[in-house]
Amino acid sequence: SQTIHQWPATLVQPVGSPLSLECTVEGTSNPNLYWYRQAAGRGLQLLFYSVGIGQISSEVPQNLSASRPQDRQFILSSKKLLLSDSGFYLCAWSVDGQETQYFGPGTRLLVL
Amino acid sequence: AQSVSQHNHHVILSEAASLELGCNYSYGGTVNLFWYVQYPGQHLQLLLKYFSGDPLVKGIKGFEAEFIKSKFSFNLRKPSVQWSDTAEYFCAVNNNAGNMLTFGGGTRLMVKP
Repeated sequence: SQTIHQWPATLVQPVGSPLSLECTVEGTSNPNLYWYRQAAGRGLQLLFYSVGIGQISSEVPQNLSASRPQDRQFILSSKKLLLSDSGFYLCAWSVDGQETQYFGPGTRLLVL
Repeated sequence: AQSVSQHNHHVILSEAASLELGCNYSYGGTVNLFWYVQYPGQHLQLLLKYFSGDPLVKGIKGFEAEFIKSKFSFNLRKPSVQWSDTAEYFCAVNNNAGNMLTFGGGTRLMVKP
């Protein structure tokens, strides 16, 4: 069966520090991968999605970037965190032909 | 661009009360519709989905949703809620042309025992 992992689960970082959040998927090949940010009262905002290794599309211009170095690995990064980057970050996967997305446990990021 | 609206941000019900959460979307073409649920401390998980066919969709845990194309709505219902239904509920839509989901703002449901 397929599983999706995210780490760390919680992260507290100072403003201006770098960020790296990791997401890995097991049990499927060539998944579509997604990064979302969940803000209270505003639902889930799609940040990035990837249909293959090295293929990243950005939905919202911002301080963050994403990379997909391996088929089942998706990384969310920042060179310098802002206070506004605080939030709950969710990774998700889907496969072509099946529109359902499956979500990871999320990473709660607090930027101080 | 498509958008999804969930008009109830917070709902408080007593056990055994009936539930209906509203979801409206704006997109004129063919859509796939989803309800996701996030229980406290758990992953976001799929509750039910509609792709085609019978517009009344049955999901897990006694939930159902009805797709009304003329109203651009996909409301979630449950005849009798339980305390364990306390969670945040998200409606989502994709436009059948790709894998991108657009989510509503979510509705926090609290069921009082």
